[in-house]
Amino acid sequence: GESVGLHLPTLSVQEGDNSIINCAYSNSASDYFIWYKQESGKGPQFIIDIRSNMDKRQGQRVTVLLNKTVKHLSLQIAATQPGDSAVYFCAETSGSRLTFGEGTQLTVNP
Amino acid sequence: KAGVTQTPRYLIKTRGQQVTLSCSPISGHRSVSWYQQTPGQGLQFLFEYFSETQRNKGNFPGRFSGRQFSNSRSEMNVSTLELGDSALYLCASSLGTGLGYTFGSGTRLTVV
Repeated sequence: GESVGLHLPTLSVQEGDNSIINCAYSNSASDYFIWYKQESGKGPQFIIDIRSNMDKRQGQRVTVLLNKTVKHLSLQIAATQPGDSAVYFCAETSGSRLTFGEGTQLTVNP
Repeated sequence: KAGVTQTPRYLIKTRGQQVTLSCSPISGHRSVSWYQQTPGQGLQFLFEYFSETQRNKGNFPGRFSGRQFSNSRSEMNVSTLELGDSALYLCASSLGTGLGYTFGSGTRLTVV
């Protein structure tokens, strides 16, 4: 079946820097994309979403970019903080099931 | 507003036993989905219920089943447990398709 994959399994940044986490998806029928943050021992926490009729959406310190031409999704975190350290997953759906990427472990160094 | 509640948080079972996990969605949410998370396979979709009907099913054996009650609470059952069923089982609730999915903290199942 279709799958969503992440390019990098780990990302290490300095506190205060901007972080960019990338995701490639393969299902061209996907129309809704979500980024989740998962901390150890917890369930995935919603960060931001975007629909296929948009190419950019901004939240508080986070921005999601969607490039449908190359089936690429990215999450930008501004002024990364130690509390941002977690695993980040992208997910896509064209119906009622989410297909998740493998996850990127973000480590923020003080 | 209460979030998605999953019980129990931790469970240890023996091979061959069966287990039932519970999920209470956010009030007003009628869609409940279940996912299995393992280090090797990541997050995988099990099934989704909407208004007491299974609307979608992932590629898991028939030992994995679920149901949804009229109050939208959902249970999933795994029979004849295998060691490989050890995982974090996550439940997500939503108002409907494409309307955002909120996850619970999960049930950590260990099969020994």
